[in-house]
Amino acid sequence: KAGVTQTPRYLIKTRGQQVTLSCSPISGHRSVSWYQQTPGQGLQFLFEYFSETQRNKGNFPGRFSGRQFSNSRSEMNVSTLELGDSALYLCASSLDARVLVKNIQYFGAGTRLSVL
Amino acid sequence: GQQVMQIPQYQHVQEGEDFTTYCNSSTTLSNIQWYKQRPGGHPVFLIQLVKSGEVKKQKRLTFQFGEAKKNSSLHITATQTTDVGTYFCAGATSGTYKYIFGTGTRLKVLA
Repeated sequence: KAGVTQTPRYLIKTRGQQVTLSCSPISGHRSVSWYQQTPGQGLQFLFEYFSETQRNKGNFPGRFSGRQFSNSRSEMNVSTLELGDSALYLCASSLDARVLVKNIQYFGAGTRLSVL
Repeated sequence: GQQVMQIPQYQHVQEGEDFTTYCNSSTTLSNIQWYKQRPGGHPVFLIQLVKSGEVKKQKRLTFQFGEAKKNSSLHITATQTTDVGTYFCAGATSGTYKYIFGTGTRLKVLA
């Protein structure tokens, strides 16, 4: 079974630009969560999607948005990039984040975003 | 908001020594998960604890969930160089199932 696939793996953008990251979950997984990982802040929860609906949201500004498609693939978008948005963005999929034994998260390799 | 702290932040041990990381939540958790992230890698699920006072073992790793479901620990007996990495706990509160990750403990094992 293929794992969680994130594209692209690396991205360099300049301040003010926008970026879209993609995540393909494990086949059959319907829950997709996004995290931002930085050396200073650790792993911070961005949002979680299930069946195309955002069920949970972290404490990030509105510049961070996401969506999920009917095939469970998910994208996250960051508009008006700032230097502080440089980070590793991780996507994790599970069968269903709200059901015990189905909520084990499998992480992708991440997209490393550098904002110059 | 909910916060999950881990101590220590860093730990260097000689190979063969034991290692423990502690996880403390500001709120009562419904369940807690532990992950390991190797340098340059992504978090990999280790175990999930659900019940108050629960203890689970995986070979040299022992995981505990506190009676009040606000703290947890991971203990590694006789560390090996393959144990190197950052260990994260991730807790969720009932009703939200939004996983808040701890700050992580970076373990280095000296051969």
